[in-house]
Amino acid sequence: QSVLTQPPSVSGAPGQRVTISCTGSSSNIGAGYDVHWYQRLPGKAPKLIIYGNTNRPSGVPERFSGSKSGNSASLAITGLQAEDEADYYCQSYESRLSVYVIFGGGTKLTVL
Amino acid sequence: QVQLQESGPGLVKPSQTLSLTCTVSGGSISSDGNYWTWIRHHPGKGLEWIGYISYSGSTYYNPSLESRIIISLDTSKNQFSLKLNSVTAADTAVYYCARDDFGSGKFDYWGQGTLVAVS
Repeated sequence: QSVLTQPPSVSGAPGQRVTISCTGSSSNIGAGYDVHWYQRLPGKAPKLIIYGNTNRPSGVPERFSGSKSGNSASLAITGLQAEDEADYYCQSYESRLSVYVIFGGGTKLTVL
Repeated sequence: QVQLQESGPGLVKPSQTLSLTCTVSGGSISSDGNYWTWIRHHPGKGLEWIGYISYSGSTYYNPSLESRIIISLDTSKNQFSLKLNSVTAADTAVYYCARDDFGSGKFDYWGQGTLVAVS
C-alpha cells in the first residue's frame, strides 16, 4: 500500500477537465516536500509532466497543471485528448524515519 | 539529450542475485549534480524507488530494501549498476533506471525499463 493515496481510476470525455488527487500526510507532502507528477503511457517509461508542485517541463502542454495544499496535491488536465489516456503517478519524499522517495499508487485515466 | 538503457537477465531464480546495468549516453555519469536512480514497477501496483548513487559515488537506499541492495558506478563505461540479493517472487517487476536532476527528487530522464521475473 502506497504512502501517497491516489484514486485508482478517473475518466472523462474528450474536451473535458479531470483532476487526480494525491493525498499524503504531515510527514511527506505536508512537511513541505515538493510533489512531482509522471505520465506512463502503455509500454513506455514514465515521463515527468509536473515538477516542483506546479511547474511544467519544456514540451509539456499547458493543459496539464499541478497544485498543492496542505497534505495533498492535485493534477488537472483540461481539454482532454485521447492521447492523455495513461497511468499518472505523484511522487514526493517521506521523512518519518529517514528521508526517501515515495510514489503514489497510480491513477488510470480513461478517455471515454 | 541524455539517454539511459537498462540491460541484464530477464529471469532470476529465487534466492539468487538480480543484477542490472544502466548505460548512460549523451552526458557524463560523473557530471556534478546528477543522481543515478533505480525504480521498479510491480505488475498491477505502483512505482517503488529503490535507491540512487550520486555522481561522486554516495549511495542512498530505500529503507525497506537497504539490506539487500548495492548500487555502484563505473565511470570508465559511463554505467551504473544494481545488485539485489536474495530475491523472491515479490521482486518480479519492471526495473527502470533514471536520472535525478541535481538531487531535486525529480526524475527527468528514464530508461525504457526491463522486466525481471523471479521464478
